[in-house]
Amino acid sequence: NAGVMQNPRHLVRRRGQEARLRCSPMKGHSHVYWYRQLPEEGLKFMVYLQKENIIDESGMPKERFSAEFPKEGPSILRIQQVVRGDSAAYFCASSVVPQGNTEAFFGQGTRLTVV
Amino acid sequence: ILNVEQSPQSLHVQEGDSTNFTCSFPSSNFYALHWYRWETAKSPEALFVMTLNGDEKKKGRISATLNTKEGYSYLYIKGSQPEDSATYLCASYTGNQFYFGTGTSLTVIP
Repeated sequence: NAGVMQNPRHLVRRRGQEARLRCSPMKGHSHVYWYRQLPEEGLKFMVYLQKENIIDESGMPKERFSAEFPKEGPSILRIQQVVRGDSAAYFCASSVVPQGNTEAFFGQGTRLTVV
Repeated sequence: ILNVEQSPQSLHVQEGDSTNFTCSFPSSNFYALHWYRWETAKSPEALFVMTLNGDEKKKGRISATLNTKEGYSYLYIKGSQPEDSATYLCASYTGNQFYFGTGTSLTVIP
């Protein structure tokens, strides 16, 4: 059973380009969470999705950021018109049931660098 | 925004020493507390999920306690080994979302 897979591991984008980050949850997991880690800061919640539904996106910036978890395929975190401040490590986690009372499994992250 | 504080920020101990560190969180709206172990270049790995006041959990040489009334959890490592070197994260879950601390970075010196 492969763990949570994120790709790419490293992504370099010029200012104004789009970044697409992918997360394939563990098999059988239907709950996906995205977190962002800015330099020198802790993990910050961005968005919580179940298959085809956004449950909580309160941690995600209102503009330029979107997330989806389609019925088939990985969850995608999309950042449009990237700016230097978007440079960070983006982690996703998945769980069988909502994350609160059960452990979540994390991917290795995607490190986004905006130049 | 909910503040989860971890102390110390970093810690160096000799192999064989026992150590402990603290996670403080607001006791209101508490639902669960998670501890994760995060090695460099790897994914955070869940250690414990704790929900009840007075909970004590153990996994090998690592154990954790929880006090939800006063809002703190301790993580203990007995007889530290070099492979214990990692960042230890705690996260408070309020029933809505997770709030992570910035972690305690542990280095065990052989």
